[in-house]
Amino acid sequence: EPEVTQTPSHQVTQMGQEVILRCVPISNHLYFYWYRQILGQKVEFLVSFYNNEISEKSEIFDDQFSVERPDGSNFTLKIRSTKLEDSAMYFCASRKGAIPNSPLHFGNGTRLTVT
Amino acid sequence: AQSVTQLDSQVPVFEEAPVELRCNYSSSVSVYLFWYVQYPNQGLQLLLKYLSGSTLVKGINGFEAEFNKSQTSFHLRKPSVHISDTAEYFCAVSVSFNTDKLIFGTGTRLQVFP
Repeated sequence: EPEVTQTPSHQVTQMGQEVILRCVPISNHLYFYWYRQILGQKVEFLVSFYNNEISEKSEIFDDQFSVERPDGSNFTLKIRSTKLEDSAMYFCASRKGAIPNSPLHFGNGTRLTVT
Repeated sequence: AQSVTQLDSQVPVFEEAPVELRCNYSSSVSVYLFWYVQYPNQGLQLLLKYLSGSTLVKGINGFEAEFNKSQTSFHLRKPSVHISDTAEYFCAVSVSFNTDKLIFGTGTRLQVFP
């Protein structure tokens, strides 16, 4: 069964550095998402992306964050200047069609540690 | 605004016992309801969903959930758990219009003992 693939599985970076988290959604999916989970807390929505533009973003997704689909297969999340509080598990997700019948497929996540 | 409450952060249970994981939500509009499971070092996997129709929905791995609109609940049940059911379980809601983001609960860690 096709999967959403995320790399790397674990990223360690220093505060203030830029980091790019990479995702390869399922190939025929059209809607893409990033969620994050700070240790011990809820899984939180960050951003949704459709038709090469952001369709919705949360308050967390400030100017330090950006997303891109550079080549038709990858979907990236960039954090421009990381902060300690950005340490979390970041999940990429994709779906084929519009809600609600099209299930959301999640990747295994990238654990980001900011030191 | 919508929110999801999972009151039990951990649920220990012996193998072959029944289990119920509780989920309550708040919303002033119609919602879609979901349960996801996260096995160690893996992503979130959809267990089941309620969109409309029958309030009892069946999912994978023998799980089922019942939508109760009057109690704003969507509790997850399994009549007999297995060791392999040990995982984190997340309840989530999606508002039925204007947005497709999921709002998750804090999760319930189900620990099945032999």
